[in-house]
Amino acid sequence: GDSVTQMEGPVTLSEEAFLTINCTYTATGYPSLFWYVQYPGEGLQLLLKATKADDKGSNKGFEATYRKETTSFHLEKGSVQVSDSAVYFCALSDQGYSTLTFGKGTMLLVSP
Amino acid sequence: DTAVSQTPKYLVTQMGNDKSIKCEQNLGHDTMYWYKQDSKKFLKIMFSYNNKELIINETVPNRFSPKSPDKAHLNLHINSLELGDSAVYFCASSQARSNEQFFGPGTRLTVL
Repeated sequence: GDSVTQMEGPVTLSEEAFLTINCTYTATGYPSLFWYVQYPGEGLQLLLKATKADDKGSNKGFEATYRKETTSFHLEKGSVQVSDSAVYFCALSDQGYSTLTFGKGTMLLVSP
Repeated sequence: DTAVSQTPKYLVTQMGNDKSIKCEQNLGHDTMYWYKQDSKKFLKIMFSYNNKELIINETVPNRFSPKSPDKAHLNLHINSLELGDSAVYFCASSQARSNEQFFGPGTRLTVL
């Protein structure tokens, strides 16, 4: 079946540091890939997505590129802020009515 | 203005009780979902409904019964609550054939 593997957290960074959160996936078809963010005490929000190979999703300074050859969708940001502290989930979805398959989430803690 | 809303936000109850969680979306979507997030933040699909019909039912105890009175509502009823049911339950919705899902704020269920 489909699966998503994310790096274990927490990831602890100082403000303005460079962020990478690794995500790799296993899927039988050609899934769409997503990053969701969950701020403390809130629900999940879609951060960015990519629907086919070599697509780059971007939002709020975050980027991720759909790499079919390495089955990866790593999340990056050039300069993190304290307000980016949250749990980040990588997810995939096959076509049709299929649901999201999530990774286990990576907590990011950014200190001033 | 809330796109996907859930009630209640917090639910504390005794083992053996029956409880319900309600979900409503005003996005005009025709597919709705229930996810369970455990204490380690892992998210797993429970059910998916499309146009009031159950389309995905993952391995969930039959004490859990979803009900969709119309396209905008998907409620979750849980019978004979157990300690292991303690979790945060998220409702989500999407347009059919779109794998972009919008999440509610979650309901934190605590079974004592």
